[in-house]
Amino acid sequence: DTAVSQTPKYLVTQMGNDKSIKCEQNLGHDTMYWYKQDSKKFLKIMFSYNNKELIINETVPNRFSPKSPDKAHLNLHINSLELGDSAVYFCASSQTPATGGDYTFGSGTRLTVV
Amino acid sequence: TQLLEQSPQFLSIQEGENLTVYCNSSSVFSSLQWYRQEPGEGPVLLVTVVTGGEVKKLKRLTFQFGDARKDSSLHITAAQTGDTGLYLCAGAGSGGSYIPTFGRGTSLIVHP
Repeated sequence: DTAVSQTPKYLVTQMGNDKSIKCEQNLGHDTMYWYKQDSKKFLKIMFSYNNKELIINETVPNRFSPKSPDKAHLNLHINSLELGDSAVYFCASSQTPATGGDYTFGSGTRLTVV
Repeated sequence: TQLLEQSPQFLSIQEGENLTVYCNSSSVFSSLQWYRQEPGEGPVLLVTVVTGGEVKKLKRLTFQFGDARKDSSLHITAAQTGDTGLYLCAGAGSGGSYIPTFGRGTSLIVHP
């Protein structure tokens, strides 16, 4: 069983389109996250949800909108895609948002905007 | 913004060699994690260190947290081809933020 699963694995789309990435975790964790990994492998936090509530919203364009229907799911919707949005997006979860929380990451969604 | 510097950025060695990867910051962290990421996969947690001076061992991997909790090192003994991957350190708890800040990683290639 995959602990944190993301779909799709690969996403190629044209500029201006709207797309969504889905994430589900079966670990019973309370907190979920979206990270963006750029071409230089730098992982940067985008959003964090604790039990369906947004608790972290780093400086990302408002074209990115997370949505958590329940604590096991955290989806990411992106409007009006731009070339610079091309990256690998990782979903992760942890038991609590406490310091030192051990993250479990999904295998990533490689988004390519052409 | 916390900044974690990892060195070296790239490392290419032969099987059987030893290596050390460093993770440095000017910030004090409550905890520091090391992850390994393989191509096409997400990072996988290797270890969490929380006490200054702490040393943890995971088979051939030795992790140390600096006394001042600003830096950490990862030492691999007798590297194997299976150790190939991107090693990421992440520090949390600095400035009241529990969200880990990641370093840019060390890309390790172990040749047979």
